[in-house]
Amino acid sequence: AQSVAQPEDQVNVAEGNPLTVKCTYSVSGNPYLFWYVQYPNRGLQFLLKYITGDNLVKGSYGFEAEFNKSQTSFHLKKPSALVSDSALYFCAVRDIYSGAGSYQLTFGKGTKLSVIP
Amino acid sequence: EPEVTQTPSHQVTQMGQEVILRCVPISNHLYFYWYRQILGQKVEFLVSFYNNEISEKSEIFDDQFSVERPDGSNFTLKIRSTKLEDSAMYFCASSVQGLAGTDTQYFGPGTRLTVL
Repeated sequence: AQSVAQPEDQVNVAEGNPLTVKCTYSVSGNPYLFWYVQYPNRGLQFLLKYITGDNLVKGSYGFEAEFNKSQTSFHLKKPSALVSDSALYFCAVRDIYSGAGSYQLTFGKGTKLSVIP
Repeated sequence: EPEVTQTPSHQVTQMGQEVILRCVPISNHLYFYWYRQILGQKVEFLVSFYNNEISEKSEIFDDQFSVERPDGSNFTLKIRSTKLEDSAMYFCASSVQGLAGTDTQYFGPGTRLTVL
């Protein structure tokens, strides 16, 4: 079975400082990994994904994430945080060995990011 | 930019009543999904739908749940007899193709279902 852990319920960072939101995963085979962001009263918005290739993935709004197979991690990063980045961030995984026709994503519990002016 | 839309944004119902949650996926997408999030818990997969058939469902998706694509644009989730524990935020999502799970699923804003 696949699972995702986001060890921090909340992350606080000062505006202009780098931010990291942590995610670790567990799958039987190789993972497909995703980050989504949720602003208040909005749906889950896609930020970026790792499928294969370069371990550093760049996404929307200046976010990037680094896939680390040995540590089974996919941490979300941004070099300089903005107040507008304050939101709820979800990591999700799909195991490529889940079976044909299985496209379900398994989500972490979410991390609330607060960027302080 | 095309978006997944959902109606209503908030639905309040009495226990035992039937509810239908509606979604309009992105127009050229072929795969559709429902997920739910009980307050304070993880987002959980319910069902995926392709070519007018359920392609996968979770243990949560029991006989009380059904999905339908009644026309070329809408995708609905029906709960026949709601229970208190069905109270949650329900998210619809769609993707262009399944592509063995590499394809990005795009989510709607959610419908908050409150069962009294």
